Amino acid sequence: KAGVTQTPRYLIKTRGQQVTLSCSPISGHRSVSWYQQTPGQGLQFLFEYFSETQRNKGNFPGRFSGRQFSNSRSEMNVSTLELGDSALYLCASSSGQGDGYTFGSGTRLTVV
Amino acid sequence: AQTVTQSQPEMSVQEAETVTLSCTYDTSESDYYLFWYKQPPSRQMILVIRQEAYKQQNATENRFSVNFQKAAKSFSLKISDSQLGDAAMYFCAYRSQRAGSYQLTFGKGTKLSVIP
Repeated sequence: KAGVTQTPRYLIKTRGQQVTLSCSPISGHRSVSWYQQTPGQGLQFLFEYFSETQRNKGNFPGRFSGRQFSNSRSEMNVSTLELGDSALYLCASSSGQGDGYTFGSGTRLTVV
Repeated sequence: AQTVTQSQPEMSVQEAETVTLSCTYDTSESDYYLFWYKQPPSRQMILVIRQEAYKQQNATENRFSVNFQKAAKSFSLKISDSQLGDAAMYFCAYRSQRAGSYQLTFGKGTKLSVIP
């Protein structure tokens, strides 16, 4: 059974640019969540999608957005990148029934 | 809002010995899930163990077990017969069962070192 796949693994962008990260959940999982991990703030929830609908959103500015496709794959987009957006972005999938979340290996974003 | 506190930023354990990582949380809810995740240097978060709040029995997964004290809002992880591969960051996480609040709330983590 394939795990959660995140692409790309590493990304370097310039301030002001935008970026799109991709996440393919475990087959059959309809819930995809995104988290930002930084040394200072730890792991923070960005948003969750379930069956193409955003079910919940964390406390991040509107520059952070996401979507989910009919095959449950999800993308998150960050526009007008700032230096503080440098982080590890983790995607997690679940069946949506309260069981454990399976995480991908993350995308390491560096903004210069 | 729920909060999760891990009071031990770093811990170390001798190989083959037992170590306990602490976690406390704050919530006004009665139904929720608690998790322990492990994050090795490879970055991938790995689920170690899960506890459902309405179950009084403590969860166990091989060498990993928890001590869940609901009234005290405490959820500690015990690792028995520690192995070198157990060295990692360990995160305690809370998940509400309230509709629209299914996200994980994480503690700051405990870095566990295993001494050969």
